[in-house]
Amino acid sequence: DTEVTQTPKHLVMGMTNKKSLKCEQHMGHRAMYWYKQKAKKPPELMFVYSYEKLSINESVPSRFSPECPNSSLLNLHLHALQPEDSALYLCASSQAGLSTGELFFGEGSRLTVL
Amino acid sequence: GNSVTQMEGPVTLSEEAFLTINCTYTATGYPSLFWYVQYPGEGLQLLLKATKADDKGSNKGFEATYRKETTSFHLEKGSVQVSDSAVYFCAHPTRGKLIFGQGTELSVKP
Repeated sequence: DTEVTQTPKHLVMGMTNKKSLKCEQHMGHRAMYWYKQKAKKPPELMFVYSYEKLSINESVPSRFSPECPNSSLLNLHLHALQPEDSALYLCASSQAGLSTGELFFGEGSRLTVL
Repeated sequence: GNSVTQMEGPVTLSEEAFLTINCTYTATGYPSLFWYVQYPGEGLQLLLKATKADDKGSNKGFEATYRKETTSFHLEKGSVQVSDSAVYFCAHPTRGKLIFGQGTELSVKP
């Protein structure tokens, strides 16, 4: 199984809503990532978890809150978002430490903030 | 600092044309180099990679050679197909994360 599964595929939320994005992988990878991507732009790294501990936070606003309940799951909790947060949110996983540089990406969750 | 620079798109080609997408990098040492592809409506997937100088990565008819003298990793394909229409990203890892180029959109017309 070489898949990274993200749910939901599409999400529309108001600025006062609370929602979560979910990501799951069963490749035994110990590093998991959240990226934000605007149309036809490169993905922007948000968070990295390594061995279930947050190792990189790229100065992301606190309205985005990551959580890694176990080595296979990664969540992104969303609260009080702004319209400019509308984007494709990609989850990825890799062998710990990114030693091979290969990231396995999910298909993304497309978020629209009204 | 570490960075990746790609040729700007969009690139529009006719089917069976030759493709080159330029990529140059700056980095400490000699990192592995990657090309990722993103088809419409999908996430990114690894297309090919090279782990040391003079290595050639290849997959699905695409090739790229790691040139340390020119710090380049240009992507080539001899005969593109409509199904190759996608956005292509050059990348290298640094300090636990991937540095991506800005992406090059390829559109192949029948």
